[in-house]
Amino acid sequence: KAGVTQTPRYLIKTRGQQVTLSCSPISGHRSVSWYQQTPGQGLQFLFEYFSETQRNKGNFPGRFSGRQFSNSRSEMNVSTLELGDSALYLCASSPGLIRDSPLHFGNGTRLTVT
Amino acid sequence: AQKITQTQPGMFVQEKEAVTLDCTYDTSDQSYGLFWYKQPSSGEMIFLIYQGSYDEQNATEGRYSLNFQKARKSANLVISASQLGDSAMYFCAMREARTGANSKLTFGKGITLSVRP
Repeated sequence: KAGVTQTPRYLIKTRGQQVTLSCSPISGHRSVSWYQQTPGQGLQFLFEYFSETQRNKGNFPGRFSGRQFSNSRSEMNVSTLELGDSALYLCASSPGLIRDSPLHFGNGTRLTVT
Repeated sequence: AQKITQTQPGMFVQEKEAVTLDCTYDTSDQSYGLFWYKQPSSGEMIFLIYQGSYDEQNATEGRYSLNFQKARKSANLVISASQLGDSAMYFCAMREARTGANSKLTFGKGITLSVRP
């Protein structure tokens, strides 16, 4: 079974631009979540989607948004990029609303904002 | 207060020896789950082991076992027979029932493990 696929692997953007990251979950997984990883803040939860609905959102500004499609694929958008948005963005999927199911992560998209 | 505390900045272990990575957590929930993930330099997060708060036995997965001490709120990862490929960052994470989010994990800062040949 193919794992979680994130594209692109690397991105370089300029301040003020916007960016869209893509995530394809493991086949059959309906829950997708996004995390930001930085050296200073560590891993932080961005949001969670299940059946095309955002179920929970972390403490991030409105510039960070996401959506999930009917095939469970998800995209994350960051508008008006700031230098502090440089990070590794990780997408994770799980089968659904099962408490003890682990999250399966992709390889991440490394975003650099200059 | 930090919810997940991993205080060991870096750990070294000789190949084939066992190593324990410490994790303490803080929650007022009765129902929660604890996870350990491994992150090699490539960046991917690899799930290792899970322990539920109501599980009476310590979780084991191959060379990985979790030393769960609920009263002390600790969930230490034990890696037996270390291999060179175990060199990576290790993260302890917690899912609390109160968040209502299945996928919201709170992660610790991580521990770097280096395995020496």
